[in-house]
Parts: sequence; C-alpha cells; structure tokens
Amino acid sequence: QKEVEQNSGPLSVPEGAIASLNCTYSDRGSQSFFWYRQYSGKSPELIMFIYSNGDKEDGRFTAQLNKASQYVSLLIRDSQPSDSATYLCAVIPNTGNQFYFGTGTSLTVIP
Amino acid sequence: DTEVTQTPKHLVMGMTNKKSLKCEQHMGHRAMYWYKQKAKKPPELMFVYSYEKLSINESVPSRFSPECPNSSLLNLHLHALQPEDSALYLCASSQVPTVDNEQFFGPGTRLTVL
Repeated sequence: QKEVEQNSGPLSVPEGAIASLNCTYSDRGSQSFFWYRQYSGKSPELIMFIYSNGDKEDGRFTAQLNKASQYVSLLIRDSQPSDSATYLCAVIPNTGNQFYFGTGTSLTVIP
Repeated sequence: DTEVTQTPKHLVMGMTNKKSLKCEQHMGHRAMYWYKQKAKKPPELMFVYSYEKLSINESVPSRFSPECPNSSLLNLHLHALQPEDSALYLCASSQVPTVDNEQFFGPGTRLTVL
C-alpha cells in the first residue's frame, strides 16, 4: 500500500503570513513529488514538483523534500485570500506509472 | 495548445442510460488517465492508458468502459450506473507515465446519476 498522508486541516492563516503544508509517504522508493492546488468544484492545477532532496523555490512557493524522513512540504509566503483552496500532495513511486494522492489539506487565508 | 478538454461539463443520467465522457489533449502526451473524485476526497485513479494501450485498471466495475481511439482522445463509456457513481470525473495526461512526468488535468465532468 503506497500511502500518502496529509493533515486534512482546515488550516487557517492570516493574510501575509506563511502557510506550511506537510505530506508524508510510506514508499521509500518514491521518486517524484508534486503539489496541486484545487479550488472547490474545479480540477487540480499543478503548483510545483520536486525530485531532489532540499528546497525548490518558485515565486511565493517553496517545496521542501527530505527523502530520509519521507516527507515533503509546501511553504506559501505572503499568503493571499486567493490561496484559499485544498492542496493535494501527489507521489510517484519507483514503478513510475501512476500518482498516489494524499487526502488534501484545506487552507483558508483570512483577510 | 496546452490544455486538456473534457465534455460535457455536466451530465445527468438515469440508471438505465448509456452515455460517454470525452477527453482530448493536443500536447503530444502519450499517457492519459481517468480519475473519479467524490466531494472532499482526493482523486481516485480508475484507468491509465499508455501509448493508446490500457496499462492500469484499478478494479473498476465493468459499467465503466474506457476507450482510447487515438493518442489525443480518451473516452469513458457509462452504462447501468448507480447513484453512488455520482462524482466529478477527471481526465489527465502526461508526456509518458514515468517518474518525472507531471499530470495535467482537464476541468472535469460533473456526473449525477438519478
């Protein structure tokens, strides 16, 4: 069973704060990690992907990967109300043929 | 063209109806996926097509029948569905189904089974 776990939240942060979203996975052979954002009633949209240990930054978003501890996180700096959504962590295992999604974390940014 | 399109956006059908969902991409992607998503749950993989061949079927009931007529098009044929099959059906594509290929999702079809 290739489990991916996220804190379902809801997570609430004030506007301008840093939002921290975490994801752990059970398959040590997992290779690739993705963060998707999903607004209510809409389809998931890709925010970032990360393959190597360490940090990867893209604008206000930073993904952090620690393969030894089997977790991946997403930091959102200067959070905006428009960031309010469900954030899905997705992991591709060593077989490389499908995503395993976490249950998602609901984020609310309070103006 | 950098998007995945799905039709129809909404579909209401009775349990005896036969209908089809359509998905199309023109990004040259060779892997296409069908997901089912219930409210407040993550997408649940149903089928994977790789190079127009079915490579994964996640034990989906036979009332769902996928079809990949060509590399750009993916259909999901529906027959004798149950009310619990009501959900958002998402199509996605990726370049190839390997470890470093992100999936791009279509807008989904909201299906209601009466």
